[in-house]
Amino acid sequence: GAGVSQSPSNKVTEKGKDVELRCDPISGHTALYWYRQRLGQGLEFLIYFQGNSAPDKSGLPSDRFSAERTGESVSTLTIQRTQQEDSAVYLCASSRTVMNTEAFFGQGTRLTVV
Amino acid sequence: AQTVTQSQPEMSVQEAETVTLSCTYDTSESDYYLFWYKQPPSRQMILVIRQEAYKQQNATENRFSVNFQKAAKSFSLKISDSQLGDAAMYFCAYRRGGATNKLIFGTGTLLAVQP
Repeated sequence: GAGVSQSPSNKVTEKGKDVELRCDPISGHTALYWYRQRLGQGLEFLIYFQGNSAPDKSGLPSDRFSAERTGESVSTLTIQRTQQEDSAVYLCASSRTVMNTEAFFGQGTRLTVV
Repeated sequence: AQTVTQSQPEMSVQEAETVTLSCTYDTSESDYYLFWYKQPPSRQMILVIRQEAYKQQNATENRFSVNFQKAAKSFSLKISDSQLGDAAMYFCAYRRGGATNKLIFGTGTLLAVQP
């Protein structure tokens, strides 16, 4: 695609429910990154994929968070048993390779847990 | 661990004037990259400018330039001839060299441009 696409744009969910956030990277980009941005904060790294493998998942805050990538394309970030502190904007980025210094970002998913 | 600090939560500039946003970082690495990203209300992060640590020359992109002081670990962004469209959140970010593109961000500076 022309850019990184994320869906949904906004998601409101009840505490305790599971949510799935989707990221479609730029076609041909092998590296994909997930970040979390809490209100008024900078971006926090969550996990990155090289192809379908996740060499670094050190930023995932708890075992309620998981992510997968298939076909070296779409990635899904899943949050189980959501808590209010999970409310944030979740941003996805992709780059041609992990060595390439320019990462292209999507517009994010704003998650609100009520 | 690497850290990035932006000490100016908010800044304001008059249209057509020049403004400088500050950023300091801490790292023990010798191979790294520094970035400034712009985040408008649309939430999409847009790369403004990039600096390779091994380059002594400061990066420039049209009205945007940086003052990279490696010894002081300082990386400020200068916006010349400010335009209304420059109003946004600006984030400084660090990435170490090698096989990762993981970015470490500062907390951001909200720039307002006054007409």
